[in-house]
Amino acid sequence: GQNIDQPTEMTATEGAIVQINCTYQTSGFNGLFWYQQHAGEAPTFLSYNVLDGLEEKGRFSSFLSRSKGYSYLLLKELQMKDSASYLCAVRGGSGAGSYQLTFGKGTKLSVIP
Amino acid sequence: NAGVTQTPKFRVLKTGQSMTLLCAQDMNHEYMYWYRQDPGMGLRLIHYSVGEGTTAKGEVPDGYNVSRLKKQNFLLGLESAAPSQTSVYFCASQRPGQGLETQYFGPGTRLLVL
Repeated sequence: GQNIDQPTEMTATEGAIVQINCTYQTSGFNGLFWYQQHAGEAPTFLSYNVLDGLEEKGRFSSFLSRSKGYSYLLLKELQMKDSASYLCAVRGGSGAGSYQLTFGKGTKLSVIP
Repeated sequence: NAGVTQTPKFRVLKTGQSMTLLCAQDMNHEYMYWYRQDPGMGLRLIHYSVGEGTTAKGEVPDGYNVSRLKKQNFLLGLESAAPSQTSVYFCASQRPGQGLETQYFGPGTRLLVL
């Protein structure tokens, strides 16, 4: 089975840096994804990690430690438009199920002026 | 290139009524998924398909049926709707392969069952 934990809500100030953590316990692991979801909209892909370390993409970075079952999403120079839910998802399992994603419940980030 | 589209965008049903949600993708993806999203529960997989003519159960399949008669379409059916099926339903598609093969989501269907 899969279990993914992330904080329910976070608040940060415009221009600041925020780190959203995700811990997971899974029966298989084929990669970890972060998605952004604005209220009333569909999730959109942000980042992907399959090896340990940091992946940087503009203002967003994502880190993975497979031995610790831990990932974080780092958002720099926060903007008001970054207010959204951030979903951590793990791909695992076997066979056709190895392509499936198991999602955490999401972290709702509020950026305040 | 429309990506993933869902029909309808919003629907109100009475308990016991039936309906079909349509998902269509124009990216020639093999894999398609149906999720439901409820407050505090995150996205949960209902059914998925790894190719035309094949379907499989996900985490929460009870009360739902699916069909994948054409590669580009994935239908989700509710035979007898219940208030517990009030939710936002998302369809997603994906090209098979490991590595950076992400799922692309449709805009969602908001369903209210009274």
